[in-house]
Amino acid sequence: QKEVEQDPGPLSVPEGAIVSLNCTYSNSAFQYFMWYRQYSRKGPELLMYTYSSGNKEDGRFTAQVDKSSKYISLFIRDSQPSDSATYLCAITDSWGKLQFGAGTQVVVTP
Amino acid sequence: DAGVIQSPRHEVTEMGQEVTLRCKPISGHNSLFWYRQTMMRGLELLIYFNNNVPIDDSGMPEDRFSAKMPNASFSTLKIQPSEPRDSAVYFCASRLGGSASGSHNEQFFGPGTRLTVL
Repeated sequence: QKEVEQDPGPLSVPEGAIVSLNCTYSNSAFQYFMWYRQYSRKGPELLMYTYSSGNKEDGRFTAQVDKSSKYISLFIRDSQPSDSATYLCAITDSWGKLQFGAGTQVVVTP
Repeated sequence: DAGVIQSPRHEVTEMGQEVTLRCKPISGHNSLFWYRQTMMRGLELLIYFNNNVPIDDSGMPEDRFSAKMPNASFSTLKIQPSEPRDSAVYFCASRLGGSASGSHNEQFFGPGTRLTVL
């Protein structure tokens, strides 16, 4: 069993809808929780990161962490076709070794 | 800022040949990571360097894989001999900061090398 589980999708939504993505993890030693976005044939790029349980907002993006349930989420409000990409959750221990989820492919249709 | 530079961008080779992938990290970054991405296994960490020293190579699949970082601005990942199951996209990433102190710092990924072994 992988330490970070993520549904690979694909997830197709109409433009303007809310996109909801989530991951579960098994190791309670994980400290930092990140979301990376990867466009087709490109390298991943960091979208958001958080340390503690709770919500963190950045524009249309909200990252949510529930350490008691070992569950992290990313919400994209007012989704745009330019949000079409693969979103990977990533979790790191105190040494900075990232464990990635499988990535969820998101398609936002105009 | 040029970002992380990888070469070649595409590599097609035959089984049994040696393959060398190259990476130039962002200037000033002292941590470097090699990843492999496939549909089946997702993004996997192969090896991690800090200040040019390999810290964790537990992800290197087998002895056919080796990585070096002779200086702060260059790293190589070598596969010898290559096999069809090595076909994947190989990413290099760099980060500012060492292990514990930089654990939350962003890793900047290169564009990747798409390797096909026939």
